[in-house]
Amino acid sequence: EAGVAQSPRYKIIEKRQSVAFWCNPISGHATLYWYQQILGQGPKLLIQFQNNGVVDDSQLPKDRFSAERLKGVDSTLKIQPAKLEDSAVYLCASSLEGLEGEKLFFGSGTQLSVL
Amino acid sequence: GQNIDQPTEMTATEGAIVQINCTYQTSGFNGLFWYQQHAGEAPTFLSYNVLDGLEEKGRFSSFLSRSKGYSYLLLKELQMKDSASYLCAGLSGAGSYQLTFGKGTKLSVIP
Repeated sequence: EAGVAQSPRYKIIEKRQSVAFWCNPISGHATLYWYQQILGQGPKLLIQFQNNGVVDDSQLPKDRFSAERLKGVDSTLKIQPAKLEDSAVYLCASSLEGLEGEKLFFGSGTQLSVL
Repeated sequence: GQNIDQPTEMTATEGAIVQINCTYQTSGFNGLFWYQQHAGEAPTFLSYNVLDGLEEKGRFSSFLSRSKGYSYLLLKELQMKDSASYLCAGLSGAGSYQLTFGKGTKLSVIP
């Protein structure tokens, strides 16, 4: 079974530039999550989709971050413009239906460095 | 919301047993996960507890006490490859569920 795919693996940009990350969840998984993991900390949920609808985006900095999930499959997370504090690993995860107790499967993440 | 607390770092000897504790304060608690994360890699699922008690899975066991807001992960017969961060995560909500992670415990296994 193919896992969660993310690209790019690494990205280096200068502050105020824009960047986009892509995620392809496990086939058939309805729920998709974007997490931000700053070095030395646990992942922090940015946004959660159920199919192509947003379930929770309460911690997404909406003035600069946006995300979409077209057709309920692939998802893109964008940062525009980037700040130094956005340097982190951006993890995409998926689960079958987002039901109680379902485990999340994580992708390898995109490591973003903002200079 | 949830508040998850776990030690930042631990060191243990190869072949030994180590217990990583996690305390949580949460509304709408629906269970607790443990994930393992090697440096530079994605977190991988270890265990899920929703009822009180101990769940054993090979060398790894996880315990939950809902009344005390407490969980631990027990690793037996430690191996060098167990050196990783261990993330405690609380599940909350109803209908749609949110998983909130602690900061992780970095475990170093030494010879």
